[in-house]
Amino acid sequence: GAGVSQSPSNKVTEKGKDVELRCDPISGHTALYWYRQSLGQGLEFLIYFQGNSAPDKSGLPSDRFSAERTGGSVSTLTIQRTQQEDSAVYLCASRLTRVSTDTQYFGPGTRLTVL
Amino acid sequence: AQSVAQPEDQVNVAEGNPLTVKCTYSVSGNPYLFWYVQYPNRGLQFLLKYITGDNLVKGSYGFEAEFNKSQTSFHLKKPSALVSDSALYFCAVRVPPPGGGNKLTFGTGTQLKVEL
Repeated sequence: GAGVSQSPSNKVTEKGKDVELRCDPISGHTALYWYRQSLGQGLEFLIYFQGNSAPDKSGLPSDRFSAERTGGSVSTLTIQRTQQEDSAVYLCASRLTRVSTDTQYFGPGTRLTVL
Repeated sequence: AQSVAQPEDQVNVAEGNPLTVKCTYSVSGNPYLFWYVQYPNRGLQFLLKYITGDNLVKGSYGFEAEFNKSQTSFHLKKPSALVSDSALYFCAVRVPPPGGGNKLTFGTGTQLKVEL
């Protein structure tokens, strides 16, 4: 079956602009995660969605970052007023919420470059 | 707080030789442990996991890992390395609720280079 997909694969933007990154999780996966991979910080958790529960936003680095998940499926990560330090690869993952299948499956990522 | 350490930034091994990529962790509670591999310009690919049960877990592409609770380690191993195994390897840990949260905490990654 199809894996996690993300779009765009690459995004170049100017400092101060807003960007939206999209994630399509694996069908039927109720949990969805966003992570950021950057040279200086490694892999960092950003936000977690589970069904209709309130999202876990504890990893968002600032209030310029927000995310939503519509209809329990597609998610959009929005970065407002982008800064150069936002340049990174943004990874999305999804998971079935059963212990036996407690595995996060990752998409290919969106490489964001802020000029 | 939970943390993962991968003490080696890079591991070099000759093709056909056994390989080990080290991982130790620090958690409060019972950990779920994972290994992922990342090829250049690609996302993370799941290799294997330990949730419960047998300490030795087998995964994709001939990889295996052993959960050692007393040493808080989860080293990745393969009996015979291939050049195609060359990639960036990440160890990750999660402690599920109620003792922990939902996120994975990753190590800093180990670059594996397998040479002819």
